[in-house]
Amino acid sequence: GAVVSQHPSRVICKSGTSVKIECRSLDFQATTMFWYRQFPKQSLMLMATSNEGSKATYEQGVEKDKFLINHASLTLSTLTVTSAHPEDSSFYICSARDLGEFTNTEAFFGQGTRLTVV
Amino acid sequence: SQQGEEDPQALSIQEGENATMNCSYKTSINNLQWYRQNSGRGLVHLILIRSNEREKHSGRLRVTLDTSKKSSSLLITASRAADTASYFCATARNSGGSNYKLTFGKGTLLTVNP
Repeated sequence: GAVVSQHPSRVICKSGTSVKIECRSLDFQATTMFWYRQFPKQSLMLMATSNEGSKATYEQGVEKDKFLINHASLTLSTLTVTSAHPEDSSFYICSARDLGEFTNTEAFFGQGTRLTVV
Repeated sequence: SQQGEEDPQALSIQEGENATMNCSYKTSINNLQWYRQNSGRGLVHLILIRSNEREKHSGRLRVTLDTSKKSSSLLITASRAADTASYFCATARNSGGSNYKLTFGKGTLLTVNP
């Protein structure tokens, strides 16, 4: 299957700093990338959908100024957690869709980033 | 809001036994997908079943879909210790244009004891 690489896998940062997480599609072009957040032993919550070259669409309750998403190319999307607080500590996962993909196909997921804000 | 709801939340079985997990959802869907997640890792796609399909097989996996009841089941036969993981169902629904959203259930934590 297609490969989505997410980096870093773990990051610890101080309160008030910003953290950038990268999501790359390695062997396909991704028109759409999705960012999820997962709390321990819970499900994945969709945060936003990013389309290459346009603004991201955020889910209700997700602060767009806090979680900045950039999808500047067909192989890279970034999520920046700005002015991080301890409550932002979570597991963040990205997924990507292939350029030529139709509705009835799978999504490819990165390995996730464990963010700890101290 | 969460679309899929899996049950049971946790399941512990012995190697060689079959494991059945169920998923219910609330709205119309294009397809339903099952994913596996090892602790602290990303998700791995297992199987996709379209809304016009009723049953699908892939190796030791068997998935059923009942759109009238808005439910699906995942059966893993002859389980192995390596099958220990969390399993999530996800419903796909068109969200406009060429986009569709995946909405995940809460997952079932499967433990297969050697």
